[in-house]
Amino acid sequence: AQRVTQPEKLLSVFKGAPVELKCNYSYSGSPELFWYVQYSRQRLQLLLRHISRESIKGFTADLNKGETSFHLKKPFAQEEDSAMYYCALRLGGYQKVTFGTGTKLQVIP
Amino acid sequence: EAGVAQSPRYKIIEKRQSVAFWCNPISGHATLYWYQQILGQGPKLLIQFQNNGVVDDSQLPKDRFSAERLKGVDSTLKIQPAKLEDSAVYLCASSLGSGFGETQYFGPGTRLLVL
Repeated sequence: AQRVTQPEKLLSVFKGAPVELKCNYSYSGSPELFWYVQYSRQRLQLLLRHISRESIKGFTADLNKGETSFHLKKPFAQEEDSAMYYCALRLGGYQKVTFGTGTKLQVIP
Repeated sequence: EAGVAQSPRYKIIEKRQSVAFWCNPISGHATLYWYQQILGQGPKLLIQFQNNGVVDDSQLPKDRFSAERLKGVDSTLKIQPAKLEDSAVYLCASSLGSGFGETQYFGPGTRLLVL
């Protein structure tokens, strides 16, 4: 079965420092990868997906099929980036989404 | 547009009691999902509906959990009888469809505590 691994439960960085939230997956095919975010007291929401290849709120993520990774990166962390981040995978259309355990990002002022 | 609505927001029950959760998806969304999120874990899909038909319920504990989506709109998720390990946040989500590239929109969740 497919699996999504987020090795860090908590990542603390100083404001202005670079951020990298790690995500690895186990699947040999071509999955659809997502990053979801949940800010304090807000709903879980989609941040970005690999097929869009876009930057959202300064965040980018590149799918590396060789390393089966989809790390989330931002060059300069901001306080408002503090939130829970979940990496998720879907094997293809009409398939269920599998979530990782999440990483809490804490940006220190 | 109005988002996914869920009620109640919080529920405390004793083990072996029954509980039901309600979800109203975004208007026009054909696909509806119920997730269970245990503290410290990511959401786990319990059941996925396409209109009023079940697409995936492989992770639904069918001996105690049931869900329905009458008329392809609102949905209810029921637990009977509840166990301590059912304490979790139950999330409802909806999407226009379930094909490649579809975005899921989540509700605020129902936090269940089983004592």
